[in-house]
Amino acid sequence: KAGVTQTPRYLIKTRGQQVTLSCSPISGHRSVSWYQQTPGQGLQFLFEYFSETQRNKGNFPGRFSGRQFSNSRSEMNVSTLELGDSALYLCASSLATFRDSPLHFGNGTRLTVT
Amino acid sequence: GNSVTQMEGPVTLSEEAFLTINCTYTATGYPSLFWYVQYPGEGLQLLLKATKADDKGSNKGFEATYRKETTSFHLEKGSVQVSDSAVYFCAPHYGGSQGNLIFGKGTKLSVKP
Repeated sequence: KAGVTQTPRYLIKTRGQQVTLSCSPISGHRSVSWYQQTPGQGLQFLFEYFSETQRNKGNFPGRFSGRQFSNSRSEMNVSTLELGDSALYLCASSLATFRDSPLHFGNGTRLTVT
Repeated sequence: GNSVTQMEGPVTLSEEAFLTINCTYTATGYPSLFWYVQYPGEGLQLLLKATKADDKGSNKGFEATYRKETTSFHLEKGSVQVSDSAVYFCAPHYGGSQGNLIFGKGTKLSVKP
């Protein structure tokens, strides 16, 4: 079974630009969540989608948005990039959102904003 | 709100040493407890889990026991290897949404030959 696939692996953007990251979950997984990982803040929850609906959102500005398609694939968009957006962005999928459902992570997209 | 406190790193050990990484969580609700591991250049992957009190999760020689009375889920391994060098995250999950899965700050482990 293929794992969670994130594309691209690396991105370099300039301040003020926008970026779209893609995530394909494990087949059959309907829940997809996104995390930002930085050395200073650790892992921070961005948002979660389940069956094309956003279920939960973390404390990030409105420049961060996402969506989920009918095939459960998800995209995350960041507009008007800032230097502080440089981070590893991780996508995770799970079969359900029950408390004992583990997350399956992709290898992440490393975003560098210059 | 819910939170988790994890032992700060980095931790440096020699091969075959005993490892303990402490983790405590807030007692609001009844979470499942997870340990995730992140190897260099990779995403996180599940190491082990426990879903109820006194459960012991185990995998790859690592163990952790769900201690409800002390709200702890300490990770242990009797003999670490160089290949165990990674960052370890403790994560209680309170259910209902993946946003209710709280990650610790992570503990970086380096094992020297």
